[in-house]
Amino acid sequence: DSGVTQTPKHLITATGQRVTLRCSPRSGDLSVYWYQQSLDQGLQFLIQYYNGEERAKGNILERFSAQQFPDLHSELNLSSLELGDSALYFCASSVGGLAPTGELFFGEGSRLTVL
Amino acid sequence: AQSVTQLGSHVSVSEGALVLLRCNYSSSVPPYLFWYVQYPNQGLQLLLKYTSAATLVKGINGFEAEFKKSETSFHLTKPSAHMSDAAEYFCAVSYTSGGSYIPTFGRGTSLIVHP
Repeated sequence: DSGVTQTPKHLITATGQRVTLRCSPRSGDLSVYWYQQSLDQGLQFLIQYYNGEERAKGNILERFSAQQFPDLHSELNLSSLELGDSALYFCASSVGGLAPTGELFFGEGSRLTVL
Repeated sequence: AQSVTQLGSHVSVSEGALVLLRCNYSSSVPPYLFWYVQYPNQGLQLLLKYTSAATLVKGINGFEAEFKKSETSFHLTKPSAHMSDAAEYFCAVSYTSGGSYIPTFGRGTSLIVHP
């Protein structure tokens, strides 16, 4: 158990819809990272938050947005969903955002299926 | 930009045989390299990491990796495979973005262990 909690574990929805994925980081971790894992693209970095502020952005679509709340949990919002958004979305946390050798602790992922 | 290439999407070995999973990186600065493992229906967990303290890095579950700068490689090995080692293995390198270090992952290598 990594200590990172993601909900929901599975989600099935239709094209055009909007969903919210939730992540609670390990106790004491200030950084939250979101990754998308698909067969086509592998594990792609989407966005990182540190103590409530956006710190780094990766290959995140404009239809996607995220935020980190004062209690440090984070939400990833996916809107106008397309078939290609079907993937496993991982949240990971770390103590800080500045250490190059920092280990990431991953949740078990939220599997999104868009029909 | 830093990147990693994992040679072979699948590696198949017999139980008790040597495991060798290959990873090559491209980096313009000294890299910070990692190996993560993903078991079915789980998130990724850290196996080991290279932080320039020693070129041979020992990790959990009997795995080790050797950093070879001249070859830009960070191959993962284990002398004797166990059935429980069957999983997906990811090599990663950290790069800087907006003051943070973001791990970027290879496409992964699926390790299959035959009895």
